[in-house]
Amino acid sequence: KNEVEQSPQNLTAQEGEFITINCSYSVGISALHWLQQHPGGGIVSLFMLSSGKKKHGRLIATINIQEKHSSLHITASHPRDSAVYICAVSKAAGNKLTFGGGTRVLVKP
Amino acid sequence: DTAVSQTPKYLVTQMGNDKSIKCEQNLGHDTMYWYKQDSKKFLKIMFSYNNKELIINETVPNRFSPKSPDKAHLNLHINSLELGDSAVYFCASSQDRGWRGYGYTFGSGTRLTVV
Repeated sequence: KNEVEQSPQNLTAQEGEFITINCSYSVGISALHWLQQHPGGGIVSLFMLSSGKKKHGRLIATINIQEKHSSLHITASHPRDSAVYICAVSKAAGNKLTFGGGTRVLVKP
Repeated sequence: DTAVSQTPKYLVTQMGNDKSIKCEQNLGHDTMYWYKQDSKKFLKIMFSYNNKELIINETVPNRFSPKSPDKAHLNLHINSLELGDSAVYFCASSQDRGWRGYGYTFGSGTRLTVV
């Protein structure tokens, strides 16, 4: 079993819909990261969280340390949000990232 | 100005060849990484260097050898390439081992195809 699990694996939404992606982890962490990978392949760091909630534009990320769970929300989704969203955690030692399997999001116009 | 740049972007080569991928970051970050993304799009750490010192060396065949001439550069040399080495390799950097307040910056990836 992976240390980081994401759900769902795939998600299709209509433009304007509210999207939620979930991430659960089973190890102690120093931070949780949400990343976005577009069809072209590049990876962009969206958020790094160690507690609470962060917001950037239409994206909101939350984390519950006690429950070892994080969510990424996309409000008023748009076709340009179509991408793979990846949850990753960094632990105390070495700060390498351990990744979830990704959630492929498709937003239809 | 590209923050983390990798070259080449695409690399097609025959089995048995030796090849290198180069990575440079202009962010002044202390730590650099190589990650591998397999055909199922799963990402996994390979190596990490902090200030030119190897700090993470995951279970990677010793045909893979990283080299960090200075803290802005981390190159990956692969000997005797095999079909299973085909993947996308991402370079990344972070500051102060990525502690609170600092995230990661990724390169655009190098798609390696071994034929």
